[in-house]
Amino acid sequence: EAAVTQSPRNKVTVTGGNVTLSCRQTNSHNYMYWYRQDTGHGLRLIHYSYGAGNLQIGDVPDGYKATRTTQEDFFLLLELASPSQTSLYFCASSDTGGSYEQYFGPGTRLTVL
Amino acid sequence: GEKVEQHESTLSVREGDSAVINCTYTDTASSYFPWYKQEAGKSLHFVIDIRSNVDRKQSQRLIVLLDKKAKRFSLHITATQPEDSAIYFCAARYGNEKITFGAGTKLTIKP
Repeated sequence: EAAVTQSPRNKVTVTGGNVTLSCRQTNSHNYMYWYRQDTGHGLRLIHYSYGAGNLQIGDVPDGYKATRTTQEDFFLLLELASPSQTSLYFCASSDTGGSYEQYFGPGTRLTVL
Repeated sequence: GEKVEQHESTLSVREGDSAVINCTYTDTASSYFPWYKQEAGKSLHFVIDIRSNVDRKQSQRLIVLLDKKAKRFSLHITATQPEDSAIYFCAARYGNEKITFGAGTKLTIKP
C-alpha cells in the first residue's frame, strides 16, 4: 500500500520564523502535492511537482516555497511565517497528475504565534 | 480556475438511513470527480470516483451520480453505519495535473 510520511507532525513557531515541512513517499509516484486544510475552505493546493527538480504553482502559493529534491522527497518552506499560515498541512502523492487516487500523509499541524 | 461547491457543511442521519452529499462544479471541461473521507483526527483517504463518460457508479454501499448538464455530482451512502461518520470531500479535476476540493461535509450517523 502507498506510504506517505510527514515530519514534523506538530510544529510551533513565531511570526517571522523559518519553517520547513518534509514529506516522503515510497511508492515511486511521480506527482507530489502540498495542501493546507482550514475549516470552511477544505483542502487548498499550495504547490505540486511531477518529478525531481520540478515545481508547479498551486492555488494558494503566496508565502510558500517548495522544493522536490528526489522522486521521494518534497519540502514546503515558510521563510517568514505569519499567523495566517497556522493550519493543518497535508502532503499527497499520485502516480499520475490529478486523474488517479491521491495518497495522503498524516498531516503536520503548524501554529504560528 | 475550477471551483467546487459542497452544499452541505453538516449532515446528520439515523443509522440505517441513506445520506446524500451534493456538489457542484464550474468548469465544463472537468472530467474526473473523486471523493475522499477524513475520519476524526486522521488523514484523508480515497473512497470512490466517477469519470465524465458515465453518470452512475457504485461500490458496495457508495453510489456516485453525475449530471454533466447541471454540473452537479453527488455521493449517496446507503444503509449508513456508525463508521460512516466522517468528513467527506468532493473534488473535480482541473487541468491535467491537479484537483480542486470542496469545503467538506461533516456526516454524523445517529444511533
